[in-house]
Amino acid sequence: GAVVSQHPSRVICKSGTSVKIECRSLDFQATTMFWYRQFPKQSLMLMATSNEGSKATYEQGVEKDKFLINHASLTLSTLTVTSAHPEDSSFYICSARGLLAGGPRDEQFFGPGTRLTVL
Amino acid sequence: GDSVTQMEGPVTLSEEAFLTINCTYTATGYPSLFWYVQYPGEGLQLLLKATKADDKGSNKGFEATYRKETTSFHLEKGSVQVSDSAVYFCALRQTTSGTYKYIFGTGTRLKVLA
Repeated sequence: GAVVSQHPSRVICKSGTSVKIECRSLDFQATTMFWYRQFPKQSLMLMATSNEGSKATYEQGVEKDKFLINHASLTLSTLTVTSAHPEDSSFYICSARGLLAGGPRDEQFFGPGTRLTVL
Repeated sequence: GDSVTQMEGPVTLSEEAFLTINCTYTATGYPSLFWYVQYPGEGLQLLLKATKADDKGSNKGFEATYRKETTSFHLEKGSVQVSDSAVYFCALRQTTSGTYKYIFGTGTRLKVLA
């Protein structure tokens, strides 16, 4: 099956610093990647959608200058939380949709998530 | 707007018990419906799906039927195992202008005791 990895799995940083989270599709080409944020005991909230080689589309209420998304290749997308503050602490999950053996797949494949703690 | 509501957990069952996790949705049009499972330390995995009314999705002994009249997609399993312990997410997918968006419920944690 298709595998999506995230790195790091857990990060702790000081307030005011920037943190980069990587999302990789390991065995398929991800034409579209999605970034979600999950608060404790709440559902996954879509932050943005990115297509390879183009700018990300952000959901309403998500600050694009705060959450920088880059989808530079068909296997890698990055989320950078700039000038992080304690309220940015959360669980960030990426997912990918794309081309697998046998053709395009409609399914999304999810990464294991990254827990960010901002002190 | 569209939304998904699922029962709060945690749900604790003994092995071989019957499982039901309720899920209802609010949506315009005809969304596709999904159940995802998240095992500890792993990403969400698709468990089953249904794309139209009265469809039944099934996988690994789990079943859910797309009920448009009650806007529900309840997850059931006749006999749970310890290995089924995980968090289960109900979700709907809306397609607009060729793109789609998933909306997730809050997740229900299932704990199965030996």
